[in-house]
Amino acid sequence: DGGITQSPKYLFRKEGQNVTLSCEQNLNHDAMYWYRQDPGQGLRLIYYSQIVNDFQKGDIAEGYSVSREKKESFPLTVTSAQKNPTAFYLCASSISLNQPQHFGDGTRLSIL
Amino acid sequence: DQQVKQNSPSLSVQEGRISILNCDYTNSMFDYFLWYKKYPAEGPTFLISISSIKDKNEDGRFTVFLNKSAKHLSLHIVPSQPGDSAVYFCAARSGTYKYIFGTGTRLKVLA
Repeated sequence: DGGITQSPKYLFRKEGQNVTLSCEQNLNHDAMYWYRQDPGQGLRLIYYSQIVNDFQKGDIAEGYSVSREKKESFPLTVTSAQKNPTAFYLCASSISLNQPQHFGDGTRLSIL
Repeated sequence: DQQVKQNSPSLSVQEGRISILNCDYTNSMFDYFLWYKKYPAEGPTFLISISSIKDKNEDGRFTVFLNKSAKHLSLHIVPSQPGDSAVYFCAARSGTYKYIFGTGTRLKVLA
């Protein structure tokens, strides 16, 4: 079954630690995205990647980093520079940049 | 500045009746609009879309209407079913890659 897998579903981090959220897709999509959702707000774009080995900052990239070494994988690292990392993180992919996005089930990150 | 607004955080509808979810936007350059459905503990699922050159798109029980002069988008679900109970997000495309999402409307269909 094709889809997007995000792991883990829940993640806890101590202050000052970096943490990496996994996102894998087997839809053969070129484009991938990371969003953040906070209560009462719409999804906000953190980073996106049009193709392997290429990625661009979204609206709220500060304190985050990504890599796109393989078409299937787009991991997001939340660094200690991110001042308010507690949120629900969604990964998405699409055939190309301007097509509807398919989402994973999300990872909820909490700070201990 | 919220460019895509869903002013109703929640909506309750009786099973079999019509559900109408609304979305307003401010940017006349948006050229493509989408609706997503989200169940608890799952990611959003793409439901239906409409290009700015159209004013209506229909897919089974779901119809999206676009009123460009009013900058208003609506999703009609007829007839509503209990399984339609979810949070619905509208989104608008700005440029080639960027989607602006609304804050969502929680629909509850009562049996």
